[in-house]
Amino acid sequence: GIQVEQSPPDLILQEGANSTLRCNFSDSVNNLQWFHQNPWGQLINLFYIPSGTKQNGRLSATTVATERYSLLYISSSQTTDSGVYFCAVAQIQGAQKLVFGQGTRLTINP
Amino acid sequence: ETGVTQTPRHLVMGMTNKKSLKCEQHLGHNAMYWYKQSAKKPLELMFVYNFKEQTENNSVPSRFSPECPNSSHLFLHLHTLQPEDSALYLCASSQVSQHYEQYFGPGTRLTVT
Repeated sequence: GIQVEQSPPDLILQEGANSTLRCNFSDSVNNLQWFHQNPWGQLINLFYIPSGTKQNGRLSATTVATERYSLLYISSSQTTDSGVYFCAVAQIQGAQKLVFGQGTRLTINP
Repeated sequence: ETGVTQTPRHLVMGMTNKKSLKCEQHLGHNAMYWYKQSAKKPLELMFVYNFKEQTENNSVPSRFSPECPNSSHLFLHLHTLQPEDSALYLCASSQVSQHYEQYFGPGTRLTVT
């Protein structure tokens, strides 16, 4: 099956810093989603982005489908941005089967 | 985010107990999912239901028994669980469409003693 690798596994930053999280996947995808998991376990939808670029406030994401990677950018980090960020993909065959990466644990210190 | 709700939020059960997890979606979706998140493993899909019909069982042991009475409700019936089944169980929903963007509930944290 498709493999999803996220990097870095851990990232510690000061408040106000910018960060880039990467998601590599091993095959063509029909669906790519970025999530933020808060300390209580809730998965919050950030982006649905199988290709192209999107922005939402301080967050933006770019997926280059032909090169099989996606990037999540967080600018001017705040302590509330802390948590685990997951990338999840699904292929055309099995479009409902989201396959998750291991996540990037982001810690923003005040 | 109250689009997908799950109850209970926390559950402790013995290995001989029978319990059920409940999920309800208020988004007008017609597909629902169960996922499992263990401490050392990535989130993994367990079951998929489209229009109340099960379309995917990801080799889940029979001690987990899903039920989908309608497109808004999903249950996971648990019996004779093992300590290694302790995990966060997440429910999700989506439209049955070309893209299936999924939305998750807050999860039930299950501890099997």
